[in-house]
Amino acid sequence: DAGVTQSPTHLIKTRGQQVTLRCSPISGHKSVSWYQQVLGQGPQFIFQYYEKEERGRGNFPDRFSARQFPNYSSELNVNALLLGDSALYLCASSLEGTTPNSPLHFGNGTRLTVT
Amino acid sequence: GESVGLHLPTLSVQEGDNSIINCAYSNSASDYFIWYKQESGKGPQFIIDIRSNMDKRQGQRVTVLLNKTVKHLSLQIAATQPGDSAVYFCAENRGNQAGTALIFGKGTTLSVSS
Repeated sequence: DAGVTQSPTHLIKTRGQQVTLRCSPISGHKSVSWYQQVLGQGPQFIFQYYEKEERGRGNFPDRFSARQFPNYSSELNVNALLLGDSALYLCASSLEGTTPNSPLHFGNGTRLTVT
Repeated sequence: GESVGLHLPTLSVQEGDNSIINCAYSNSASDYFIWYKQESGKGPQFIIDIRSNMDKRQGQRVTVLLNKTVKHLSLQIAATQPGDSAVYFCAENRGNQAGTALIFGKGTTLSVSS
């Protein structure tokens, strides 16, 4: 079975540009979450979507936005990139939210470098 | 602020030894905890989870212990193998609604030498 897939795997952008990251969840999973992982740190929650609706948002500026499509895939958009946005962006899917019956399963991430 | 943290940033063991990775959490309202393993260049991989109404849960070669009195979580790996070398994160989930998030600690790097 295919796991969570993310594209692209690596990306280099310059300050001020915009970026779109894509995620396909595990088949049958209806919830997608996005996390940012800075080098040497644990992942930090950005967004959670369930059944195409935003169900949670972390402490990130409005430059970060996301959406979930009818097929449950998702995109994360970041506008006006800053050097500090350089990180590994992880997508995770689950059956429904984050519960003991629905743990998060992560993809391998998109490595974003902002120069 | 409240967060999940780990006692040691690194742990070095010999192949065949048992490993114990510790984690302290501060939010007594947390009701669900997960251990993840992250290898270089990959995303976190689910290892084992435990609900707050349990003290212990066993998987294949792994055991998670939860002590709610002192807000402590541990992951025990039996007969540690070189393939177990990775960064291990504990994460707590507050609530069980669709909109809740996992709060991760900073991670412990496990190095297994043969």
